[in-house]
Amino acid sequence: DAGITQSPRYKITETGRQVTLMCHQTWSHSYMFWYRQDLGHGLRLIYYSAAADITDKGEVPDGYVVSRSKTENFPLTLESATRSQTSVYFCASSESDVEQFFGPGTRLTVL
Amino acid sequence: DQQVKQNSPSLSVQEGRISILNCDYTNSMFDYFLWYKKYPAEGPTFLISISSIKDKNEDGRFTVFLNKSAKHLSLHIVPSQPGDSAVYFCAASYRRNTPLVFGKGTRLSVIA
Repeated sequence: DAGITQSPRYKITETGRQVTLMCHQTWSHSYMFWYRQDLGHGLRLIYYSAAADITDKGEVPDGYVVSRSKTENFPLTLESATRSQTSVYFCASSESDVEQFFGPGTRLTVL
Repeated sequence: DQQVKQNSPSLSVQEGRISILNCDYTNSMFDYFLWYKKYPAEGPTFLISISSIKDKNEDGRFTVFLNKSAKHLSLHIVPSQPGDSAVYFCAASYRRNTPLVFGKGTRLSVIA
């Protein structure tokens, strides 16, 4: 499928478990981003990447790890999930334009 | 401290009328401003953007106005349609390909 996809779409896990959220884009965009959306906060940046092997922290990076070995993939890992990480996670990508293109999101619940 | 603010959590408008969504920002270094629309269980969809060197940008039924001196922008939707019912996010960026800073969103309901 062309575009940007995220998997899984829904995930329930337990406190302390490691969880990886996947993001894949077919446009070969250089820039990729991870945001989380919480009630009362809008979308907040977790991590972003300007190219393969180049990543940088955003506003709320604690408890998350990212990697970017291939341009098209940008997985987000919660090393030890906490209840405060219950959220909806959005991946986005961009190239030369100002707008970013968002995936459909992953709704994560940490019990 | 929030750099992009949408002070109205919700707005209700009749079909056919104008919808005006407002956004304020505090950082004068922002160079681009964007509006996104979001339906439930979907990702945000880009609507329209404006560069800080302009004061107006129009795309069909959507127009964004920027007032730099007031650090204020607004999105006008004319005429409003029931399909426009969604959450609208205002966002800002320092330059192309940099992270977006989002407001909290405004839920627009267009009543038939």
